[in-house]
Parts: sequence; structure tokens; C-alpha cells
Amino acid sequence: AQSVTQLGSHVSVSEGALVLLRCNYSSSVPPYLFWYVQYPNQGLQLLLKYTSAATLVKGINGFEAEFKKSETSFHLTKPSAHMSDAAEYFCAVSTPFEDYKLSFGAGTTVTVRA
Amino acid sequence: DAGVIQSPRHEVTEMGQEVTLRCKPISGHDYLFWYRQTMMRGLELLIYFNNNVPIDDSGMPEDRFSAKMPNASFSTLKIQPSEPRDSAVYFCASSTQTRENTEAFFGQGTRLTVV
Repeated sequence: AQSVTQLGSHVSVSEGALVLLRCNYSSSVPPYLFWYVQYPNQGLQLLLKYTSAATLVKGINGFEAEFKKSETSFHLTKPSAHMSDAAEYFCAVSTPFEDYKLSFGAGTTVTVRA
Repeated sequence: DAGVIQSPRHEVTEMGQEVTLRCKPISGHDYLFWYRQTMMRGLELLIYFNNNVPIDDSGMPEDRFSAKMPNASFSTLKIQPSEPRDSAVYFCASSTQTRENTEAFFGQGTRLTVV
């Protein structure tokens, strides 16, 4: 069985500052990993995904994440926060070729201070 | 493609009533997932289908919940009878599984309130 743990349920950053959201995974087989963003009253939108190719993955809106097998981590970063980045962010894991269901972390709410 | 379409967007019902949530997946996707989102429990997978066949329904909370997928373009999640603790946002998502395309695409959700 696979699972993810997101460290920190709330993160507050200043506009222009680094955004760092932490995610650690547990999986018995090589996983696929995802970051999704949810804006208020909206569905989840994919930011980026890792599917066993390049370990540094770039996504939309300037976000990127690095897969580190030794640390079982997939942290999400953005060099400079924008007010529009205020949302809830979810890390998710799936185990390809076994089952394809996504298991989500508890989510991290990001607020951006002007 | 219009994406995953869910209806209704909002539903308010009285305790004991039957509620049916609907989902139209993206054309060509062979996996369909139903999730429930609450403040207390976050995003929970309820059930998922592959090629219209239920694969894993271990997340369905109890017998009051049932889901069907009669064809590749339509799925329903039914709660009968509904209870206040069922109040949540229910999401449908679909995907296809190739090496390049593995992500799930989510609908806008149905916000269910049981009073």
C-alpha cells in the first residue's frame, strides 16, 4: 500500500519569497508522484507529476519538484510567491502497473502576504 | 473536451432522502474515481472503476452508498438514505493509464448538504 505525508497543514509566505511544501511518500514499489492545487470551490488541478523519468520535474505556474528516492521525498518549490498562489496543495502517490488509484496527503494551505 | 462533468454542483437534501450524484468522464478515459472531501478526513477514495467494472470499493463507507457505471460515459454515486454526516464535497475523476499520461482529471465537484 502506498501513502503520502505532507508536513505542515498551513504555510504562510510573503509575496516574492520562496514557497516550499514538503511531501514524503511510502510505497512498496517505484511510485508515480503528483502535486495538485485546489482553489476555493474548485476541483483539483494537476501542477506536475513524476513518472520515473527526470527526477527534477517542472510544472505549471513556475512550480517544480524533485524526486529523492534516498529521502522518499517529493517536495514542491517555487522561487517567488505570487498572490495568486494562495490555495490548497495536495501531494499524491500511485503505484503504476499494480493499481492506479491516487492516494492523497492531507493537504497544505498556502497563504501569501502582501 | 469539456473535462469531467459533474452534476449537480450543489445539492441540499433532508436526512433520509435519496441522493444521486452524476459524472461524465473525459471521453477515452478508462478509469473513473469517486472521492469525498471533508475537513476532518481530507480526500478519501470511495470507489474506482476500470472499463466500467468496479475494481475497489473498499472506501465506500457503508451500504447506504452505491456506485454504478453503466457505460463508458456515465457514472452515478447514490446515497440512500442520506444522513447529515454525509455532507461533503464529492469529486469524480477520470484517467487513462499510459507511461506518459497517468494523472487523474477532476470535475468541479458536488457539494452535498444533508440537513
